[in-house]
Amino acid sequence: EAGVVQSPRYKIIEKKQPVAFWCNPISGHNTLYWYLQNLGQGPELLIRYENEEAVDDSQLPKDRFSAERLKGVDSTLKIQPAELGDSAVYLCASSLAPTSGGPQSSYNEQFFGPGTRLTVL
Amino acid sequence: DAKTTQPTSMDCAEGRAANLPCNHSTISGNEYVYWYRQIHSQGPQYIIHGLKNNETNEMASLIITEDRKSSTLILPHATLRDTAVYYCIVRAVYGNKLVFGAGTILRVKS
Repeated sequence: EAGVVQSPRYKIIEKKQPVAFWCNPISGHNTLYWYLQNLGQGPELLIRYENEEAVDDSQLPKDRFSAERLKGVDSTLKIQPAELGDSAVYLCASSLAPTSGGPQSSYNEQFFGPGTRLTVL
Repeated sequence: DAKTTQPTSMDCAEGRAANLPCNHSTISGNEYVYWYRQIHSQGPQYIIHGLKNNETNEMASLIITEDRKSSTLILPHATLRDTAVYYCIVRAVYGNKLVFGAGTILRVKS
């Protein structure tokens, strides 16, 4: 079974240029996440989708970042314009939707892609 | 979600058990302990999770203290491929949000 696919793996751009990252989640996973990971730190959630709906985008800097998940499958994360501080790894993850309503764990494992390493010059 | 505290780094000899500690003194009753790891140039990978009982799977064992204020991830026979950053995360039962800290860098040496 294919894992989460991300492209490109590496991207180098000059500041003020636009950039886009693409993610293809695991087939059947209706929940998709975008994370930002700065060097030496753990990933930080940017946005979470349930199907095509963004259900948590509170950490997404909306002045320059945007995301979409048309048809509830693939997703694109865009930065326009990019700044020097945006240099980081952008991770995409997917999972089955969380369930709730009972005492048992409702956790569905998140599967991460390899990430896109962005360098802004 | 409760905060976790982990050592910055640890070393382990190849073939020996790696014991990675995590403090989560403010954990509440409905919060689970999760462990992920991240090998260099890869995305994080789920290892194991538990509520209050000890758990074991093909990758590792998770030992949670009776008061649930700390836990230990055990890799029984560490190999060079286990060199990675290990994240201990506390998460509420409902919802799927993971809040990562800086984790522990585990270096397995031959």
